[in-house]
Amino acid sequence: QITLKESGPTLVKPTQTLTLTCTFSQFSLYTSGVGVGWIRQPPGKALEWLALISGDDDRRYSPSLKSRLTITQDTSSENQVVLTMTNMAPVDTGTYYCVHRRRFGDFDSWGQGTLVTVSS
Amino acid sequence: QSVLTQPPSVSGAPGQRVTISCTGSSSNIGADYDVHWYQQLPGTAPKLLIYLNNNRPSGVPDRFSGSKSGTSASLAITGLQAEDEADYYCQSFDSSLSAWVFGGGTTLTVL
Repeated sequence: QITLKESGPTLVKPTQTLTLTCTFSQFSLYTSGVGVGWIRQPPGKALEWLALISGDDDRRYSPSLKSRLTITQDTSSENQVVLTMTNMAPVDTGTYYCVHRRRFGDFDSWGQGTLVTVSS
Repeated sequence: QSVLTQPPSVSGAPGQRVTISCTGSSSNIGADYDVHWYQQLPGTAPKLLIYLNNNRPSGVPDRFSGSKSGTSASLAITGLQAEDEADYYCQSFDSSLSAWVFGGGTTLTVL
């Protein structure tokens, strides 16, 4: 059974950089068609896809947030993916989910999510 | 403003049938990209409900079904149960944005 778990700060100040880590198990990022992505959800609002990385180091970003996002595979661990988001603002407050993307293009496994609050 | 458009809310009595629409455009659903549906129960992470337009993952009751036509897709739920109260999201890929996109979500209320 695939598992994913998000970790990182629960509170960041405006203008700071957010770094979130996704630790996953029971699959390899190097499997064809597989990717690990990040999706966020502001309180009471809809889901928003942020970024995705595949085993061939193909990286995709939300066009509206591309300048602020970086997704990487942790070089020291084959089962971790890191997302950084710069210049955080209160509107970035929400739950951030790490997800497993299948070759079908769907997100079949989700982490429990981590709530990030941006406030001074 | 979401790329995929869903009604904000739908409701139905126990045992009834409801449908949730998901309207896209020529750069996503209309470009023949597949549609997937997710169910989010209160306070929990979303769960994959329908994939590749009309396929159910193991464990999802056959009361849930999906369809796709043109630039739109639909999720149908028959035999409504109280436990179906949740938010439902459609998802696809948009070639113009080169991005995975979601609908704005639909809250289902079982009366």
